[in-house]
Amino acid sequence: IAGITQAPTSQILAAGRRMTLRCTQDMRHNAMYWYRQDLGLGLRLIHYSNTAGTTGKGEVPDGYSVSRANTDDFPLTLASAVPSQTSVYFCASSARQGVGEQFFGPGTRLTVL
Amino acid sequence: DAKTTQPPSMDCAEGRAANLPCNHSTISGNEYVYWYRQIHSQGPQYIIHGLKNNETNEMASLIITEDRKSSTLILPHATLRDTAVYYCIVSGTMNYGGSQGNLIFGKGTKLSVKP
Repeated sequence: IAGITQAPTSQILAAGRRMTLRCTQDMRHNAMYWYRQDLGLGLRLIHYSNTAGTTGKGEVPDGYSVSRANTDDFPLTLASAVPSQTSVYFCASSARQGVGEQFFGPGTRLTVL
Repeated sequence: DAKTTQPPSMDCAEGRAANLPCNHSTISGNEYVYWYRQIHSQGPQYIIHGLKNNETNEMASLIITEDRKSSTLILPHATLRDTAVYYCIVSGTMNYGGSQGNLIFGKGTKLSVKP
């Protein structure tokens, strides 16, 4: 079934550890996005990518890095996790950045202790 | 910051139309109005979007006022499965290589459909 997959579904992580959240789409979309969602808040954009090989910073990029080596994959890395990064992380994609529908993955629930 | 204002919550009786309002008084000429919803714990789901004409699809209708400063999402026959948080988002077309056009989510409207 076409769509976006994220892994892991959930993770508990010790502070200071490195963690990579995986996101893969099979729709050949050019644009991909990472959002975080905290209790009582809407989704906030962390990083985005217009196309393979390019990335950009969103609203809350500090403490996160991304790469876009190919069209399908857009991993999000926390180099040294802190408790304030406890959140639900959603990956999304769209055919082009800023145009039309964004398709969202099921999310990764991350807890940093 | 989100460019839209929505009521925090609304109730609707099952089988009735749900009308969700959104104010976007600072919308500019090239910005679209998007609606997404998020059912508990799931990723957001696209519903509909429009520029200035009213739009309809299999899920909903979008009514945009002539001055484009507000809009209404209409779910014609709400069901219990429509209970969700509904987000109204204003987003411009892409300035290629820039950040325009990324979705900025506010807190949305929590719609509760009751039997």
